[in-house]
Amino acid sequence: GENVEQHPSTLSVQEGDSAVIKCTYSDSASNYFPWYKQELGKGPQLIIDIRSNVGEKKDQRIAVTLNKTAKHFSLHITETQPEDSAVYFCAASQEGNQFYFGTGTSLTVIP
Amino acid sequence: SAVISQKPSRDICQRGTSLTIQCQVDSQVTMMFWYRQQPGQSLTLIATANQGSEATYESGFVIDKFPISRPNLTFSTLTVSNMSPEDSSIYLCSVGVPYYGYTFGSGTRLTVV
Repeated sequence: GENVEQHPSTLSVQEGDSAVIKCTYSDSASNYFPWYKQELGKGPQLIIDIRSNVGEKKDQRIAVTLNKTAKHFSLHITETQPEDSAVYFCAASQEGNQFYFGTGTSLTVIP
Repeated sequence: SAVISQKPSRDICQRGTSLTIQCQVDSQVTMMFWYRQQPGQSLTLIATANQGSEATYESGFVIDKFPISRPNLTFSTLTVSNMSPEDSSIYLCSVGVPYYGYTFGSGTRLTVV
């Protein structure tokens, strides 16, 4: 089965700086890679996703890059704000099938 | 995207009892998933619930412990049976539309004492 590794487990950045979270996956058949943000006491919320036919996707301050050859994908948050503080999960799946989640990254943005 | 209402949001239960968690979706969806998130951990899939058929359980999860109902395309329940403190977790339902994304409910925070 698929195995998703996520690093780092915790990340602290100063407000305004960038944050980068990296994930690797093992199954070359995986073709859908979402990122979720989970705030305390809430369920995960999809913030951005990328499919295997695209190398990069951007949505305002958030971007995701995918390297299919190396089987890794990354989340980039620029100009971080305190409200970006949360736990972030990456996931990998084959379209329409179950997700395999990374272990999560606790991001703290220091004002 | 679909909107999910999950109930209860939290509960404290005595060991040996059972709790049923409800998941209501505002649109018809084929695939519904139940996840467990243990404290400080990632999400682990318990089972996939499809309407009109028995749920498919992942390794380590069994129907006797986590019975699931899926009576229609907008509703599902997960029961945590004969609870022990090790069952203390957040339980989440999720709905998926292939290629259009997946949405999670807000979760049920269960504490077993």
